[in-house]
Amino acid sequence: DIQMTQSPTSVSASVGDTVSISCRASQGISSWLAWYQQKPGNAPKLIIYVASKLMSDVPSRFSGSGSGTDFTLTITSLQPEDFATYYCQQADTFPYTFGQGTKVEIK
Amino acid sequence: VQLVESGGDLVKPGGSLRLSCSLSGFTPRSYAINWVRQAPGKGLEWVSGISGSGTSTFFADSVKGRFTISRDNSKNMVFLQMNGLRVEDTAVYYCARLVTTNYGLDVWGQGTTVTISS
Repeated sequence: DIQMTQSPTSVSASVGDTVSISCRASQGISSWLAWYQQKPGNAPKLIIYVASKLMSDVPSRFSGSGSGTDFTLTITSLQPEDFATYYCQQADTFPYTFGQGTKVEIK
Repeated sequence: VQLVESGGDLVKPGGSLRLSCSLSGFTPRSYAINWVRQAPGKGLEWVSGISGSGTSTFFADSVKGRFTISRDNSKNMVFLQMNGLRVEDTAVYYCARLVTTNYGLDVWGQGTTVTISS
């Protein structure tokens, strides 16, 4: 199975800051990577697919990059509604494994 | 477009449970459906997937041989049959729609809670 490793596990930031989250795959997955946002008590929400494609209802302050084994989710000008936990998921090969999550907290 | 899970319950270790996922607002046979679970206070774990036609199924190693997945497109339903349940299967179980192969899960249900305890 492909292992997905996210870093950091958590990050404290202020409104207006830029935050970057890393996701590394144990083997190459081309660009088959998705990012999800999850708020407490809610189901996850798909925000980025195929590494860099933004879902239509997601603000442009979110961006994704990378290919192969190394990927990054960047949130610029952090807004109050962005404080949540973010997960990467490889969609290259079943099982479609998730990273362990990164919690973005208010500083 | 909506997915609604049901069937979660409190079950003893070794028991069985069948979860259902009701699909609406789209053509079921056009989309693969996946199950993802989240143990209390933990991250997301991909569990199982089934193709739109139902001919291909996939499982995480942690549930292989114990869980089966099926679908009835005529009734807009997907099922997760869980046998040999263990305490570590305790989680909220979500069903989710795969946009298309390799793209990610774009629509999720609200989740159904499975608790395994004696």
